Amino acid sequence: EDQVTQSPEALRLQEGESSSLNCSYTVSGLRGLFWYRQDPGKGPEFLFTLYSAGEEKEKERLKATLTKKESFLHITAPKPEDSATYLCAVQLGNAGNMLTFGGGTRLMVKP
Amino acid sequence: DTGVSQNPRHKITKRGQNVTFRCDPISEHNRLYWYRQTLGQGPEFLTYFQNEAQLEKSRLLSDRFSAERPKGSFSTLEIQRTEQGDSAMYLCASSRGANYGYTFGSGTRLTVV
Repeated sequence: EDQVTQSPEALRLQEGESSSLNCSYTVSGLRGLFWYRQDPGKGPEFLFTLYSAGEEKEKERLKATLTKKESFLHITAPKPEDSATYLCAVQLGNAGNMLTFGGGTRLMVKP
Repeated sequence: DTGVSQNPRHKITKRGQNVTFRCDPISEHNRLYWYRQTLGQGPEFLTYFQNEAQLEKSRLLSDRFSAERPKGSFSTLEIQRTEQGDSAMYLCASSRGANYGYTFGSGTRLTVV
């Protein structure tokens, strides 16, 4: 069965304290891995898509990396405005563009 | 690009009533998706349209749920005979094709009392 697991479930950081969020997946035929940010009461906001092992993408303080079994979202020197839930999702080659999401990591950055 | 619009933002209904939600996708996006999200969980796939054709439905979509996308534009999701377990955030998303990320709307939060 295809599975996407995110860890930790919740993470508290001090402003400026860098860390990484993990997304591990057990799927057959990965087509792409997506990262989203979700603020309370809002829909997920697209961050990155990664397609192949070794690929990296960056945006401001965020950097996403992909291996054959997992993806990491690295947050460098986070600020309080980075506080949100970060979701990863996998797209399978035979799944008609459907995404399967993990449970998310709730990030809280304290000033 | 005005984004994906969902209405209403909030809906409170009594158990057993029918409810309908609307989603207006980004105009040039031909793919439209409905997801459901409960508190503390990631979104779960419900159904997917390419233009006006409904191409995929999750087993989560019981026969009380129906979705339409007439003329390949806006979409509606109807839940008949609502149950307390239907309480969730219903998210709509659109995309321009298989290799593009989704753009989500802000969702409709349904509370069944």
